[in-house]
Amino acid sequence: DGGITQSPKYLFRKEGQNVTLSCEQNLNHDAMYWYRQDPGQGLRLIYYSQIVNDFQKGDIAEGYSVSREKKESFPLTVTSAQKNPTAFYLCASSEGRIFSGNTIYFGEGSWLTVV
Amino acid sequence: AQSVTQLDSQVPVFEEAPVELRCNYSSSVSVYLFWYVQYPNQGLQLLLKYLSGSTLVKGINGFEAEFNKSQTSFHLRKPSVHISDTAEYFCAVSGAGGGADGLTFGKGTHLIIQP
Repeated sequence: DGGITQSPKYLFRKEGQNVTLSCEQNLNHDAMYWYRQDPGQGLRLIYYSQIVNDFQKGDIAEGYSVSREKKESFPLTVTSAQKNPTAFYLCASSEGRIFSGNTIYFGEGSWLTVV
Repeated sequence: AQSVTQLDSQVPVFEEAPVELRCNYSSSVSVYLFWYVQYPNQGLQLLLKYLSGSTLVKGINGFEAEFNKSQTSFHLRKPSVHISDTAEYFCAVSGAGGGADGLTFGKGTHLIIQP
Protein backbone atom coordinates (compact mmCIF):
# COMPACT_ATOMS: atom_id res chain seq x y z
CA ASP A 1 0.00 0.00 0.00
CA GLY A 2 1.13 3.55 -0.69
CA GLY A 3 1.93 5.69 2.28
CA ILE A 4 4.42 7.46 4.49
CA THR A 5 6.61 5.48 6.85
CA GLN A 6 8.25 7.11 9.83
CA SER A 7 10.79 5.40 12.05
CA PRO A 8 11.41 4.87 14.82
CA LYS A 9 8.01 5.28 16.49
CA TYR A 10 9.66 6.00 19.86
CA LEU A 11 13.13 7.43 20.41
CA PHE A 12 15.01 8.53 23.49
CA ARG A 13 17.83 11.04 23.28
CA LYS A 14 20.43 11.96 25.82
CA GLU A 15 21.40 15.55 26.36
CA GLY A 16 23.93 16.70 23.76
CA GLN A 17 23.15 13.97 21.23
CA ASN A 18 22.00 14.37 17.66
CA VAL A 19 19.26 12.01 16.50
CA THR A 20 17.78 11.38 13.07
CA LEU A 21 14.15 10.59 12.33
CA SER A 22 13.50 8.70 9.13
CA CYS A 23 10.69 9.48 6.68
CA GLU A 24 10.04 7.51 3.50
CA GLN A 25 7.10 7.87 1.11
CA ASN A 26 6.08 5.71 -1.85
CA LEU A 27 3.34 8.03 -3.08
CA ASN A 28 5.59 9.63 -5.70
CA HIS A 29 4.88 13.03 -4.14
CA ASP A 30 7.08 15.99 -4.94
CA ALA A 31 6.58 17.95 -1.72
CA MET A 32 7.55 16.77 1.75
CA TYR A 33 7.23 18.40 5.17
CA TRP A 34 8.22 18.02 8.81
CA TYR A 35 5.93 19.24 11.58
CA ARG A 36 6.36 19.30 15.33
CA GLN A 37 3.36 18.76 17.62
CA ASP A 38 3.28 19.74 21.27
CA PRO A 39 0.21 19.23 23.50
CA GLY A 40 -2.21 22.12 23.11
CA GLN A 41 -0.01 23.79 20.49
CA GLY A 42 -1.24 22.36 17.24
CA LEU A 43 1.29 21.64 14.51
CA ARG A 44 4.25 23.84 13.67
CA LEU A 45 6.27 23.61 10.47
CA ILE A 46 9.98 22.79 10.81
CA TYR A 47 11.16 22.32 7.21
CA TYR A 48 9.67 21.64 3.81
CA SER A 49 10.98 20.54 0.45
CA GLN A 50 9.52 20.95 -3.03
CA ILE A 51 12.11 18.94 -4.99
CA VAL A 52 15.23 16.87 -4.53
CA ASN A 53 18.22 18.77 -3.16
CA ASP A 54 16.09 21.76 -2.21
CA PHE A 55 14.45 22.57 1.13
CA GLN A 56 13.25 25.61 3.02
CA LYS A 57 13.03 26.56 6.68
CA GLY A 58 9.62 26.66 8.30
CA ASP A 59 8.54 28.53 11.39
CA ILE A 60 10.71 26.66 13.93
CA ALA A 61 13.79 25.43 12.04
CA GLU A 62 16.37 26.35 14.68
CA GLY A 63 18.11 23.26 16.08
CA TYR A 64 16.95 21.03 13.21
CA SER A 65 18.43 19.99 9.87
CA VAL A 66 17.13 18.02 6.89
CA SER A 67 18.30 16.57 3.59
CA ARG A 68 16.48 15.58 0.40
CA GLU A 69 18.85 13.42 -1.61
CA LYS A 70 16.05 11.22 -2.96
CA LYS A 71 12.47 12.05 -3.89
CA GLU A 72 11.06 9.47 -1.50
CA SER A 73 13.19 10.29 1.55
CA PHE A 74 13.26 13.35 3.84
CA PRO A 75 15.12 12.60 7.11
CA LEU A 76 15.08 15.07 9.99
CA THR A 77 18.02 15.49 12.36
CA VAL A 78 17.35 16.94 15.78
CA THR A 79 20.63 18.48 16.88
CA SER A 80 21.94 19.24 20.33
CA ALA A 81 21.21 22.90 19.60
CA GLN A 82 17.47 22.20 19.90
CA LYS A 83 16.83 23.15 23.51
CA ASN A 84 13.47 21.49 23.99
CA PRO A 85 13.20 18.58 21.55
CA THR A 86 10.71 16.40 23.42
CA ALA A 87 7.68 16.29 21.10
CA PHE A 88 5.71 14.30 18.55
CA TYR A 89 7.18 14.69 15.06
CA LEU A 90 5.08 14.28 11.92
CA CYS A 91 6.34 13.82 8.40
CA ALA A 92 4.01 14.59 5.52
CA SER A 93 3.89 14.78 1.74
CA SER A 94 1.71 16.16 -1.05
CA GLU A 95 1.45 16.13 -4.82
CA GLY A 96 2.44 19.03 -7.00
CA ARG A 97 3.28 22.50 -5.86
CA ILE A 98 3.82 23.06 -2.21
CA PHE A 99 0.93 24.55 -0.17
CA SER A 100 -1.23 24.79 -3.28
CA GLY A 101 -4.38 23.28 -1.83
CA ASN A 102 -3.34 19.71 -2.54
CA THR A 103 -4.08 17.29 0.27
CA ILE A 104 -1.20 16.80 2.67
CA TYR A 105 -0.81 13.18 3.79
CA PHE A 106 0.77 12.41 7.14
CA GLY A 107 2.84 9.58 8.52
CA GLU A 108 2.08 7.92 11.85
CA GLY A 109 4.55 10.14 13.72
CA SER A 110 7.59 9.65 15.93
CA TRP A 111 7.82 10.37 19.64
CA LEU A 112 11.12 11.87 20.74
CA THR A 113 11.92 12.11 24.44
CA VAL A 114 15.02 13.65 26.00
CA VAL A 115 16.33 11.71 29.00
CA ALA B 1 0.34 36.59 8.00
CA GLN B 2 -2.47 34.12 8.52
CA SER B 3 -3.83 32.55 11.68
CA VAL B 4 -6.44 30.04 12.82
CA THR B 5 -8.47 30.10 16.02
CA GLN B 6 -10.30 27.04 17.25
CA LEU B 7 -12.58 28.44 19.86
CA ASP B 8 -13.01 25.31 21.96
CA SER B 9 -10.16 23.15 23.25
CA GLN B 10 -12.61 20.42 24.29
CA VAL B 11 -16.15 19.59 23.24
CA PRO B 12 -18.05 16.87 25.13
CA VAL B 13 -21.09 15.48 23.31
CA PHE B 14 -23.44 12.58 23.95
CA GLU B 15 -23.48 9.78 21.40
CA GLU B 16 -25.97 10.31 18.53
CA ALA B 17 -26.20 14.04 19.29
CA PRO B 18 -25.17 16.69 16.74
CA VAL B 19 -21.88 18.53 17.09
CA GLU B 20 -20.28 21.71 15.76
CA LEU B 21 -16.55 22.44 16.07
CA ARG B 22 -15.78 26.09 15.51
CA CYS B 23 -12.94 27.53 13.45
CA ASN B 24 -12.19 31.14 12.58
CA TYR B 25 -9.29 32.30 10.44
CA SER B 26 -7.47 35.49 9.60
CA SER B 27 -5.80 36.16 6.27
CA SER B 28 -5.19 39.08 3.94
CA VAL B 29 -5.60 36.92 0.83
CA SER B 30 -8.00 34.34 -0.52
CA VAL B 31 -7.70 31.07 1.35
CA TYR B 32 -7.91 27.33 1.20
CA LEU B 33 -9.38 25.72 4.32
CA PHE B 34 -8.98 22.23 5.74
CA TRP B 35 -10.18 20.03 8.58
CA TYR B 36 -7.99 17.15 9.74
CA VAL B 37 -8.68 14.44 12.35
CA GLN B 38 -6.07 12.81 14.58
CA TYR B 39 -6.69 9.61 16.54
CA PRO B 40 -4.44 8.92 19.56
CA ASN B 41 -0.76 8.40 18.71
CA GLN B 42 -1.42 8.62 14.99
CA GLY B 43 -0.85 11.07 12.18
CA LEU B 44 -3.48 13.39 10.76
CA GLN B 45 -6.08 12.39 8.20
CA LEU B 46 -7.94 14.83 5.95
CA LEU B 47 -11.67 15.09 6.66
CA LEU B 48 -12.52 17.72 4.06
CA LYS B 49 -11.24 20.84 2.36
CA TYR B 50 -12.54 24.00 0.72
CA LEU B 51 -10.68 25.34 -2.31
CA SER B 52 -13.41 27.18 -4.24
CA GLY B 53 -17.00 26.82 -5.42
CA SER B 54 -19.81 25.65 -3.16
CA THR B 55 -19.38 26.91 0.38
CA LEU B 56 -20.82 23.71 1.86
CA VAL B 57 -18.22 20.98 1.76
CA LYS B 58 -18.91 17.34 2.54
CA GLY B 59 -16.18 15.06 3.82
CA ILE B 60 -15.59 11.57 5.10
CA ASN B 61 -17.34 9.92 8.06
CA GLY B 62 -20.45 12.08 7.67
CA PHE B 63 -18.76 15.40 8.45
CA GLU B 64 -19.43 18.65 6.61
CA ALA B 65 -18.22 22.23 6.91
CA GLU B 66 -19.43 25.58 5.66
CA PHE B 67 -17.15 28.36 4.48
CA ASN B 68 -18.43 31.77 5.52
CA LYS B 69 -16.26 34.48 4.02
CA SER B 70 -17.97 37.41 5.74
CA GLN B 71 -17.51 35.81 9.16
CA THR B 72 -14.13 34.27 8.25
CA SER B 73 -15.30 30.95 9.61
CA PHE B 74 -15.17 27.31 8.60
CA HIS B 75 -17.14 25.39 11.22
CA LEU B 76 -17.25 21.60 11.16
CA ARG B 77 -20.53 19.77 11.79
CA LYS B 78 -21.90 16.28 12.10
CA PRO B 79 -25.62 15.57 12.65
CA SER B 80 -25.11 12.46 14.79
CA VAL B 81 -21.82 11.47 16.39
CA HIS B 82 -20.53 8.02 17.23
CA ILE B 83 -18.09 6.81 19.87
CA SER B 84 -15.52 6.28 17.13
CA ASP B 85 -15.52 10.04 16.40
CA THR B 86 -13.61 10.65 19.63
CA ALA B 87 -10.40 12.31 18.42
CA GLU B 88 -8.54 15.59 18.05
CA TYR B 89 -9.72 17.83 15.21
CA PHE B 90 -7.56 20.46 13.55
CA CYS B 91 -8.60 23.33 11.33
CA ALA B 92 -5.95 24.68 8.92
CA VAL B 93 -5.63 27.54 6.43
CA SER B 94 -3.31 28.31 3.55
CA GLY B 95 -3.19 31.18 1.09
CA ALA B 96 -4.82 30.28 -2.21
CA GLY B 97 -2.19 29.65 -4.85
CA GLY B 98 0.56 28.94 -2.39
CA GLY B 99 2.67 31.44 -0.52
CA ALA B 100 5.33 31.94 2.07
CA ASP B 101 2.92 31.50 4.99
CA GLY B 102 2.39 27.83 4.14
CA LEU B 103 -0.30 25.84 5.94
CA THR B 104 -1.19 27.14 9.40
CA PHE B 105 -2.93 24.87 11.92
CA GLY B 106 -5.16 25.74 14.81
CA LYS B 107 -4.42 24.34 18.25
CA GLY B 108 -7.01 21.60 17.94
CA THR B 109 -10.35 20.65 19.49
CA HIS B 110 -10.67 17.43 21.45
CA LEU B 111 -14.06 15.88 20.68
CA ILE B 112 -15.18 13.65 23.53
CA ILE B 113 -18.15 11.39 22.85
CA GLN B 114 -20.03 10.27 25.95
CA PRO B 115 -22.20 7.13 25.82
